[in-house]
Amino acid sequence: YVLTQPPSMSVAPGDTARLTCGGERIETKTVNWYQQKPGQAPLLVICDDSDRPSGIPERFSGSNSGNTATLTISGVEGGDEADYYCHVYDGDSDRTVFGGGTKLTV
Amino acid sequence: HLQLQESGPGLVKPSETLSLTCTVSGGSIDNSPFSWAWIRQSPGKGLENIGNIFDTGSVHYNPSLETRVAISVDTSANRFSLEVTSLTAADTGFYYCATPGRDDSFGFQYWGQGIFVTVSS
Repeated sequence: YVLTQPPSMSVAPGDTARLTCGGERIETKTVNWYQQKPGQAPLLVICDDSDRPSGIPERFSGSNSGNTATLTISGVEGGDEADYYCHVYDGDSDRTVFGGGTKLTV
Repeated sequence: HLQLQESGPGLVKPSETLSLTCTVSGGSIDNSPFSWAWIRQSPGKGLENIGNIFDTGSVHYNPSLETRVAISVDTSANRFSLEVTSLTAADTGFYYCATPGRDDSFGFQYWGQGIFVTVSS
C-alpha cells in the first residue's frame, strides 16, 4: 500500500495549510499524522483520521474521504514549520506504511 | 505515561549485526494489549517502518527488510529488541522505538528519542 504526499508546501503566517495524503481507497483506513521538527522524534498530532491527542492545539484537524486524507492547520504559526508524515496500518496486508512526508515552510 | 528509551551501539561495521534495545517505563510490556514498533529514518529521508510486534506475539516486518531483521520482546526486563543483519551503509540513520500505548488505535503516541547508528568501517 502506497501513501503519496507532496514534498513541500509553503504558507504565510495566519493562513490555513492543507496537507494531503493520497492512497487507494484511503477512506477505508484510519490515518494518523505526525509532525517532526529537526533533531526531534515525530509527534502524533492527529490519530484515527480526526482525533487530536491531548496537548495538540485545536488548530490541527484531520479528515479522510475517497482517496485523500487531509491534515488542516488553521492560523499557521512559525512554530508549525516542520515535516509532516501520514501513516496507516493496512489491515489487508498487516503492514504499517508511512507517506514520504511534506516539508511545511511558514 | 509510557516512556521509551533506545540503547545500543552508535557505530557498527558493514556486514555485521546491529542489536538495539528499547526499554519501556511507566507501564508493562507484559500483557499490554497494543503493539510495539521499530521505525527508522535515513539522513534527510522519511520514516520507514521496520516491524511491529503485537500483543498476540505475532510480528509483522517491512517486506523490504524482513530477510534481515528480527524483533523480540523480553517481558522480564520490560523491553523489546531489534536485530538487523548484513549491515550496509544504507542502514545508517536514526532508529526509533514507538507504541500506540492503547489498544484501539494504531497511531504511535509514544516514541523514544531515537538512536543514530552509523554503518562504517
